[in-house]
Parts: sequence; C-alpha cells; structure tokens
Amino acid sequence: AQSVAQPEDQVNVAEGNPLTVKCTYSVSGNPYLFWYVQYPNRGLQFLLKYITGDNLVKGSYGFEAEFNKSQTSFHLKKPSALVSDSALYFCAVRDQTGANNLFFGTGTRLTVIP
Amino acid sequence: EADIYQTPRYLVIGTGKKITLECSQTMGHDKMYWYQQDPGMELHLIHYSYGVNSTEKGDLSSESTVSRIRTEHFPLTLESARPSHTSQYLCASSDAPLGNSPLHFGNGTRLTVT
Repeated sequence: AQSVAQPEDQVNVAEGNPLTVKCTYSVSGNPYLFWYVQYPNRGLQFLLKYITGDNLVKGSYGFEAEFNKSQTSFHLKKPSALVSDSALYFCAVRDQTGANNLFFGTGTRLTVIP
Repeated sequence: EADIYQTPRYLVIGTGKKITLECSQTMGHDKMYWYQQDPGMELHLIHYSYGVNSTEKGDLSSESTVSRIRTEHFPLTLESARPSHTSQYLCASSDAPLGNSPLHFGNGTRLTVT
C-alpha cells in the first residue's frame, strides 16, 4: 500500500529565512512524487514533481524539493521565505505502475512571519 | 488560473435536499476526480473517472454519486443532503494515461448543510 506522511501540522519561519516542509512516503517500487500548495478558499495548485533523474527538482515560485530514496523522503525547500508563501502544502505520491490513484498527505500549514 | 471550473463556490442548503455540484474542464483530460476536504485539511478521494461512461468509487465511502456523460463534465450529486455532508468538495483532472501528470484542481465548492 502507498502512503505519505507529513509529520508537521504547522511550520513557522521568519521572512527571509530558509524553509523546509517535510514529507516521507511509502510505495511499492519507484514513486512519482508531487508537491501542491493551497491558498485560502482555493483549490490545490501544482508546485513540482519528481519522476526520475536528478534528485533535486525545481518548481514554481522558487521552491525545490530533494528526492532521497534511502530515506524515502521528498522534503520541500526554499532558500528565502516570503510572507506570500504562507499557505497549506500537500505532498502526494503515486506508484509508477499507475495502478493506484494519487495519495495525499495530511497537509502542513506554513506561516511566514514578517 | 485554473481551466477547471466548479459551481457553485458556496452553497448552504437544508437537510434532505437534493444537490448537484458542477465540475467542468476545458483541457480535454480523460481522468477526473472528486475529493472531499475536511475542515482539518485532509483530502479524501471519493470518486474518479478514467473517461466517458467510466466512474469508480474512491478511498472514502460517500453517499454521493457521479456521472461522466461528456469528457469535460463530471457532476457530483447528493440525493438527500445531511449535516455530515458539510465539507469542501474539490474537483480535479489530469492527462491520461500518464501516471506522472499532475492534477489540475478547481477552486472548490464549500457545502454547508443545515
């Protein structure tokens, strides 16, 4: 069975500081991994994905994520946080057989403090 | 901005009423999904479709039903709404058959059943 864990419900970071939102996953075989962001009263927006190749994936709005197969992690990072980055962040995984649908984590609320 | 549209954005109705939440996408995607999002953020897949005349139940049991008569349209119906149906409902679509395609989300319908 596939699953995703986002161990932190809430992450607070000062504006200008680096941010990390954690995600670990479990799938049979190789994963497709995704990060989405949700702003208030909106649907989810796609940020970035890992399919294969380079372990460091760059996405929208200056975000990046590092795939670590040995630690089964896919943490989201940004070198310098903006107040406008404050939102809900969801990690998601699907196994590469395509047999299963996308499975979402429980979400992490990021607050960037001015 | 999203090419997937949900109406209404907000709906307040009384117990026992029949309602239909609309979802349409203009991207020609074969795969469409309905998620229910708790007040505590977690997303649950309740229905999905891989194409016209194809519908499946998701991971979370739901009293709602869906139909897929046209590629672009994936409405969700509650025959008799109850307070336990109060939630945010998110519609999404993706390319098929690529398992590595991200989901595109609508802005959601926030349903309140009184």
